[in-house]
Amino acid sequence: GAVVSQHPSRVICKSGTSVKIECRSLDFQATTMFWYRQFPKKSLMLMATSNEGSKATYEQGVEKDKFLINHASLTLSTLTVTSAHPEDSSFYICSARRLTGKADTQYFGPGTRLTVL
Amino acid sequence: AQKITQTQPGMFVQEKEAVTLDCTYDTSDPSYGLFWYKQPSSGEMIFLIYQGSYDQQNATEGRYSLNFQKARKSANLVISASQLGDSAMYFCAMREGRNTGNQFYFGTGTSLTVIP
Repeated sequence: GAVVSQHPSRVICKSGTSVKIECRSLDFQATTMFWYRQFPKKSLMLMATSNEGSKATYEQGVEKDKFLINHASLTLSTLTVTSAHPEDSSFYICSARRLTGKADTQYFGPGTRLTVL
Repeated sequence: AQKITQTQPGMFVQEKEAVTLDCTYDTSDPSYGLFWYKQPSSGEMIFLIYQGSYDQQNATEGRYSLNFQKARKSANLVISASQLGDSAMYFCAMREGRNTGNQFYFGTGTSLTVIP
């Protein structure tokens, strides 16, 4: 079953509004979560690394004031797209680092499709 | 330079046949991990298989196997006995270093279509 959830799975909003996307690790604690953005038929691009209890680390070219990340607990990270514009429309995927397991890998959420009108 | 290169934008395979999806990588770090993910049309990234740089044997997970050729820096995914449900995008990814918190670098993906 899914070990990382995202909510909402799909959101449509008006230009200028803010949208919050939640990423939850369901049965493990994740000190590190990652936020990716994926354009249609393109690869995943890392936006930022979210560490519990500290500020997120943003990749070059990603506006930290536009994409606010909060990792307030070991099971929840949120991404808020502020003052959204149509060019922010995309598929946003989070992943959570799991410290145990055979591959000791990151588990991905199902993604959130954002459409800004 | 690209960290991960997938040169096959699209592949077709007959049902029940085997297919190989290519992936080459570039890193100077002696410690790294290689991953393959499947992304169906629903968008969810599904972990398939993992190969560590120090692993002596090729990784296998059910119908998935990873053909790891370290000297050539390739990590091809082999899917045996293809099924219709295998039709999806497949991404190769790499994580450098030992820290599992390090970021993943993704390839551009290969779209696999299984033909009945």
